[in-house]
Amino acid sequence: KNQVEQSPQSLIILEGKNCTLQCNYTVSPFSNLRWYKQDTGRGPVSLTIMTFSENTKSNGRYTATLDADTKQSSLHITASQLSDSASYICVVSTTDSWGKLQFGAGTQVVVTP
Amino acid sequence: AAGVIQSPRHLIKEKRETATLKCYPIPRHDTVYWYQQGPGQDPQFLISFYEKMQSDKGSIPDRFSAQQFSDYHSELNMSSLELGDSALYFCASSQTSGAYNEQFFGPGTRLTVL
Repeated sequence: KNQVEQSPQSLIILEGKNCTLQCNYTVSPFSNLRWYKQDTGRGPVSLTIMTFSENTKSNGRYTATLDADTKQSSLHITASQLSDSASYICVVSTTDSWGKLQFGAGTQVVVTP
Repeated sequence: AAGVIQSPRHLIKEKRETATLKCYPIPRHDTVYWYQQGPGQDPQFLISFYEKMQSDKGSIPDRFSAQQFSDYHSELNMSSLELGDSALYFCASSQTSGAYNEQFFGPGTRLTVL
């Protein structure tokens, strides 16, 4: 069973609209949570990284939140653009498997004109 | 800024052949990670190296081997290739002394086994 669950699996939104992606994890002991954007056939690109003490972090139009108590995170995309079409992957790392990342299955976002 | 470089970007091999994938980390990064991503799947961790020593091992088949060289570049050697080895292979690098030990991914090598 995947220890990092993402929802929804896919999402279609109109250009200019906002959307929120969810990530729930059971991975422990928790070290940090990352959101990556991956274009088809390309390597993942980091958007945000948060430790347990960080509740929110922004990177341009991307804002991530983290609730380490409930083990939930969200990624909010504001004023979506066509270039936001990609897979968004939630990734969690633990303190006891140094560097080894637990990947979620990703949310496929499609932004339409 | 310099990024992780992987070569080749595309590779086509026959079953039972061998393949070598190369990864050049970001300068001053001391750790390299290898991931395998099958079609429609999330990346699976294969193996990592820190300062030229294996630091962690994931679901890497016995047919595969890897090493990190003195200049910190890494090579993933794959032998007796099978159809199921067709995937995107990502290399990532990090600086262990950096914040979060953040991993930066390369563009990937797409391996197709016929």
